Amino acid sequence: GQNIDQPTEMTATEGAIVQINCTYQTSGFNGLFWYQQHAGEAPTFLSYNVLDGLEEKGRFSSFLSRSKGYSYLLLKELQMKDSASYLCAAMDSNYQLIWGAGTKLIIKP
Amino acid sequence: DTAVSQTPKYLVTQMGNDKSIKCEQNLGHDTMYWYKQDSKKFLKIMFSYNNKELIINETVPNRFSPKSPDKAHLNLHINSLELGDSAVYFCASSQGGGSGANVLTFGAGSRLTVL
Repeated sequence: GQNIDQPTEMTATEGAIVQINCTYQTSGFNGLFWYQQHAGEAPTFLSYNVLDGLEEKGRFSSFLSRSKGYSYLLLKELQMKDSASYLCAAMDSNYQLIWGAGTKLIIKP
Repeated sequence: DTAVSQTPKYLVTQMGNDKSIKCEQNLGHDTMYWYKQDSKKFLKIMFSYNNKELIINETVPNRFSPKSPDKAHLNLHINSLELGDSAVYFCASSQGGGSGANVLTFGAGSRLTVL
């Protein structure tokens, strides 16, 4: 079956760096997405990877290894506003998104 | 202007009632979706429409009926509401197609509570 695994919750300190991991198993693969969802709000797009390697976008970077079925989201210089859930989603061969349950990131001062 | 707007934002109703949630997008996107997010935070696709045509219809009870009068609107009607229907329902849209073109823009969500 198709599956996405990511940690349920992580805690980090303001100003630090945190890495949120995601492993996926899908029927075919057409890319890996990361979305951010603040409590009570809609998910918003953060990044998309379809080739192996690191994509950097400001304080956020996303990495993909297709051979390992693995991705991570790296957040640097953490700010309190980064407290949110981070959703990993993989696109299968039918271009359907398979979603993880999200990782709730708690930032402490 | 809100890109994807859905109404109502909150809906509290009794079991057995019928309710509708409306969604509109002004992004010119070809594809619209309904997702259900339950208390465990999983986002589950329910329906997807491309240019008013149904392209994804996951295993949801037939009490749920989507309607797309045009490609900018996708409404969700729910008959005979049950306690298990309580969730947040998100409308979303995308340009459609495969790969990176499929970045979703979500509405703010409609929180449905069935008593």
